[in-house]
Amino acid sequence: AQSVAQPEDQVNVAEGNPLTVKCTYSVSGNPYLFWYVQYPNRGLQFLLKYITGDNLVKGSYGFEAEFNKSQTSFHLKKPSALVSDSALYFCAVRDLRSGNTGKLIFGQGTTLQVKP
Amino acid sequence: ETGVTQTPRHLVMGMTNKKSLKCEQHLGHNAMYWYKQSAKKPLELMFVYNFKEQTENNSVPSRFSPECPNSSHLFLHLHTLQPEDSALYLCASSQEGNEAGELFFGEGSRLTVL
Repeated sequence: AQSVAQPEDQVNVAEGNPLTVKCTYSVSGNPYLFWYVQYPNRGLQFLLKYITGDNLVKGSYGFEAEFNKSQTSFHLKKPSALVSDSALYFCAVRDLRSGNTGKLIFGQGTTLQVKP
Repeated sequence: ETGVTQTPRHLVMGMTNKKSLKCEQHLGHNAMYWYKQSAKKPLELMFVYNFKEQTENNSVPSRFSPECPNSSHLFLHLHTLQPEDSALYLCASSQEGNEAGELFFGEGSRLTVL
């Protein structure tokens, strides 16, 4: 069965420091992987995706993610965190059983807290 | 602005009321979704519509009734709800056949059942 795990409920980082939000996945075949961000009382906003090609994917707001097939990971990274990056982050994998529909399986979310 | 609009943004209702949540997408997508987001729980997929046809119902209680009159509009009709149904209800859309399958979400409707 397809699944995605975010092992950390919360990540704390000081402003200006690099940040990493972890995600591991389990799928049959090639994974399609996504990161979303949710600010308080808002919907989910798409950050970036990996389908194929370069293992380092660049997305919105300076975020990037590295696909590692051997470790089945897709960690979200940013070289220099901003206080405004504080939010809830979701990793997701496309359910390959659903064919070409966009049905996604989400991790439980990681709260990122960036302190000034 | 994500191209997916949900109304109302906030709704308070009693257990005997009947209300509806509305979602409209302006992206030309052909698939739409309802998700439920409760505190401290993962996002729960409720319903999936492809080309206006319901393709998935994840064991959702019958007090939630979806309606998809066309590929741009999606409703969630609510009746005889329970307090545990209080949550943020998120609508999303995507383009079926799009290999990536990324979803675009609305801002959500915050439902409180008294």
